[in-house]
Amino acid sequence: GENVEQHPSTLSVQEGDSAVIKCTYSDSASNYFPWYKQELGKRPQLIIDIRSNVGEKKDQRIAVTLNKTAKHFSLHITETQPEDSAVYFCAASRGGGSNYKLTFGKGTLLTVNP
Amino acid sequence: DTGVSQDPRHKITKRGQNVTFRCDPISEHNRLYWYRQTLGQGPEFLTYFQNEAQLEKSRLLSDRFSAERPKGSFSTLEIQRTEQGDSAMYLCASSSVRDRTYEQYFGPGTRLTVT
Repeated sequence: GENVEQHPSTLSVQEGDSAVIKCTYSDSASNYFPWYKQELGKRPQLIIDIRSNVGEKKDQRIAVTLNKTAKHFSLHITETQPEDSAVYFCAASRGGGSNYKLTFGKGTLLTVNP
Repeated sequence: DTGVSQDPRHKITKRGQNVTFRCDPISEHNRLYWYRQTLGQGPEFLTYFQNEAQLEKSRLLSDRFSAERPKGSFSTLEIQRTEQGDSAMYLCASSSVRDRTYEQYFGPGTRLTVT
């Protein structure tokens, strides 16, 4: 089955700096890669996703890049703000087939210091 | 609120008791998923439904766990003879296969504590 590794497990940055979180996956058939943000005690919320037919996607201060050959994808947050502080999870799935289940990484606790 | 809802939000039970959780997906979402999340970990897939059909169950889902989605709308997850290791957050998510998007939207979860 799919295995998703996520690094780092914790990340502390100063407000205004950039943050990068990296994930690798094992299943070459995976083609959908979402990122979720989870604040303490709250539900995971989808912040951005990418499909395997594109290499990069951007939404304001958030961008995701995908390298299918190397089987890794990354989340980039620019101009970080204290409200970006949360746990971020990457995930992978064979979206579009008979099974859309998500396999998650273990999460990255991002702390943005004012 | 038109998002995914779950009930109850918190459940404390004694070991050996049975518990049942409910999930109401986003209206007209035909796919519904159950995940389990323990402290410091990402959600782990348990099972999913397309309409009323249960299409896959994780090997994490022991015989004590059962899930239903009788009319293709809400779903229930029952745990029989609870054990302390069942303590976790149980998350439900839904998605729509009709519009060919893969996004899964999560509910707030039910936090189970087994004492």
